Amino acid sequence: QSALTQPASVSGSVGQSITISCTGTSNDVGAYNYVSWYQQYPGQAPKVIIFDVSNRPSGVSSRFSGSKSGNTASLIISGLQAEDEADYYCSSYANSANVFGSGTRVTVL
Amino acid sequence: EVQLVQSGAEVKKPGESLRISCKDSGNTFTSYWISWVRQMPGKGLEWVGRIDPSDSYTNYSPSFNGHVTISVDTSMSTAYLQWSSLKASDTAIYYCARHDGFHSTGYYLGEAGYFGLWGRGTRVTVSS
Repeated sequence: QSALTQPASVSGSVGQSITISCTGTSNDVGAYNYVSWYQQYPGQAPKVIIFDVSNRPSGVSSRFSGSKSGNTASLIISGLQAEDEADYYCSSYANSANVFGSGTRVTVL
Repeated sequence: EVQLVQSGAEVKKPGESLRISCKDSGNTFTSYWISWVRQMPGKGLEWVGRIDPSDSYTNYSPSFNGHVTISVDTSMSTAYLQWSSLKASDTAIYYCARHDGFHSTGYYLGEAGYFGLWGRGTRVTVSS
């Protein structure tokens, strides 16, 4: 089971929107609507920000949204804020396994 | 507030054995799958494996299968990750995470659920 492919880094200015892609295969991202996204600050445990492709847990900013098309899922951060600077990981269910993406470092310029 | 409480940092030598733990502070331990996730220094998240505490059924990533063992003690509401012979490359932070999520019809998604609750991680250092 290979890691899902994410861009290593994405940057944007405060107020802009950015998109992080997460590309898998027809055995994981493409097969199930069980894609989730996690935000991780240095020295902290990850925290879920999107689950089941496009659902936000209670308390997560509406600036975070998710979508999926075919084998690629996307996380969109709108109205980028300084506190959004962190690492972001996608994850997908893949029947006998779960798999994470390679991770994306978001930098706020 | 329910938490996953992980055991403290460990420093071991290559070849030694180790078991780290993850205790569910609530009273629903057998209702939710638990996964273990590795994060090597400066690197990304890697899924190690998962367990259904209700019957101890496990799945492992091919990358970890045969090198680690995941188990539970339901009387202690605790999940474990253990090694019989550590390598320097096992140096990492290990997180436990609970699988959350329900289908729109109401049934629990089990192993397909997202990682909704995380422990704070256990740092394992293996060095001679």
